[in-house]
Amino acid sequence: QVQLVESGGGLVKPGGSLRLSCAASGFTFSDYYMSWIRQAPGKGLEWVSYISSSSSYTNYADSVKGRFTISRDNAKNSLYLQMNSLRAEDTAVYYCASIITIFGVVMDYMDVWGKGTTVTVSS
Amino acid sequence: EIVLTQSPATLSLSPGERATLSCRASQSVSSYLAWYQQKPGQAPRLLIYDASNRATGIPARFSGSGSGTDFTLTISSLEPEDFAVYYCQQRSNWPFAFGGGTKVEIK
Repeated sequence: QVQLVESGGGLVKPGGSLRLSCAASGFTFSDYYMSWIRQAPGKGLEWVSYISSSSSYTNYADSVKGRFTISRDNAKNSLYLQMNSLRAEDTAVYYCASIITIFGVVMDYMDVWGKGTTVTVSS
Repeated sequence: EIVLTQSPATLSLSPGERATLSCRASQSVSSYLAWYQQKPGQAPRLLIYDASNRATGIPARFSGSGSGTDFTLTISSLEPEDFAVYYCQQRSNWPFAFGGGTKVEIK
C-alpha cells in the first residue's frame, strides 16, 4: 500500500545538524512533488519545504531558508531534509508528505503523510 | 504573507450535531483552500481541497464552501470518530500557510 516512513530524528544540540529521510513505497515516487511539514509540541502545522518531482524546483519557509536543504533520490524512492544550524524553535515532529496531482495539475495539498519523526533541539 | 484565522478555537458539540468551522484569509486565496483533520498522535488527513472538493474516501457528511477570504467546513452530523482538530491551508501564495486549528470536542 501507499506508505511514507520518516527516519533520522533525534536529540541534537543548538547549532548542530541532522538529516531526515523519508522512504516512499506503493506509488510512483518520481511522479510527485514532495514536502516536509512540521508541528511543534502542542502547536499547529508549518509547511517547511517542498521539491518538484524532478528536483528542478524547491521552496522554503523563511524560518528555515539558508539552514535547511530539501533533496530527493528518485532511484531510491527517497526524500531528504538536511537541517543545519538547528535552533530550539526547530523542535517538532517532522512529517514527509506527498503533494496531490489531479489531472496532471499539482495542487499543493498533501494527501499521503508519514507518521513523522521527532527532532528535539536542546542543550 | 497570507494569514489564515480559524474560529472558533474550540467547538463543544454532541454526536449527531452539526459542526460549522470557519477559516478566514487575510487576503483573497480564490478557491485554493483545503481542510485537514488531525487526531492525537496521528498525521493530518486531507478532507477537502480547492474549497469544496472531497478527497478520496472522505464521507459525504464533510462539506466545504466559500471563496475569496471566507471559508466553511461543515460536518452535517458528528460521528464519534470526527472529534479531532481541523486545519485549513491555502495554496494561493507561498508560504502555503495553515490556520491555527479548531478543536472539535465532545460536549
